[in-house]
Amino acid sequence: GAVVSQHPSWVICKSGTSVKIECRSLDFQATTMFWYRQFPKQSLMLMATSNEGSKATYEQGVEKDKFLINHASLTLSTLTVTSAHPEDSSFYICSAPRGSGGRSSYEQYFGPGTRLTVT
Amino acid sequence: GQNIDQPTEMTATEGAIVQINCTYQTSGFNGLFWYQQHAGEAPTFLSYNVLDGLEEKGRFSSFLSRSKGYSYLLLKELQMKDSASYLCAPLDSNYQLIWGAGTKLIIKP
Repeated sequence: GAVVSQHPSWVICKSGTSVKIECRSLDFQATTMFWYRQFPKQSLMLMATSNEGSKATYEQGVEKDKFLINHASLTLSTLTVTSAHPEDSSFYICSAPRGSGGRSSYEQYFGPGTRLTVT
Repeated sequence: GQNIDQPTEMTATEGAIVQINCTYQTSGFNGLFWYQQHAGEAPTFLSYNVLDGLEEKGRFSSFLSRSKGYSYLLLKELQMKDSASYLCAPLDSNYQLIWGAGTKLIIKP
């Protein structure tokens, strides 16, 4: 089946630095990818929708200048957390729709997630 | 507003059956997904219901009643590896998944 990969799996960085997380669709093309953040014991929170070749759509309350999203190709989207702070420590997950049209466009394949710890 | 209601935690015995209920209120409705999420991992797809009734897939079954805003996930012949969180996620009128906090299922020997 379709697979979505993320890199890195975990990262520790110092406060004030920037971290880039990559999300790749391995055997299918994804014009749309989604970025989520999940704090312990809480639900997935949609941060933004990444659109290939155009600007990302951010959810209310998510700072677009802090969480930079680039969807440069049909198989790669990146999330850069700029000037990271300890409160940005979280589990970041990307997903991509299985296909286009009908149910397959809503069933999402998730990447394995990236655990970010900011010290 | 949009709301998902699931029990926070459930405990069951290996080999038994457990039913995880979900009630939802969304702006429009275009189906409902169930996902499984093991601790520290991303969610994986379990089922999708768009019409009323029961959909069976191996040890897992999912039921939907659109008029009641209600769904359940039924797990049979429970195994230790089924210990995970189970997320109920309806699709709203904009085809956006609405995520609840999930139900943490603990399986005991």
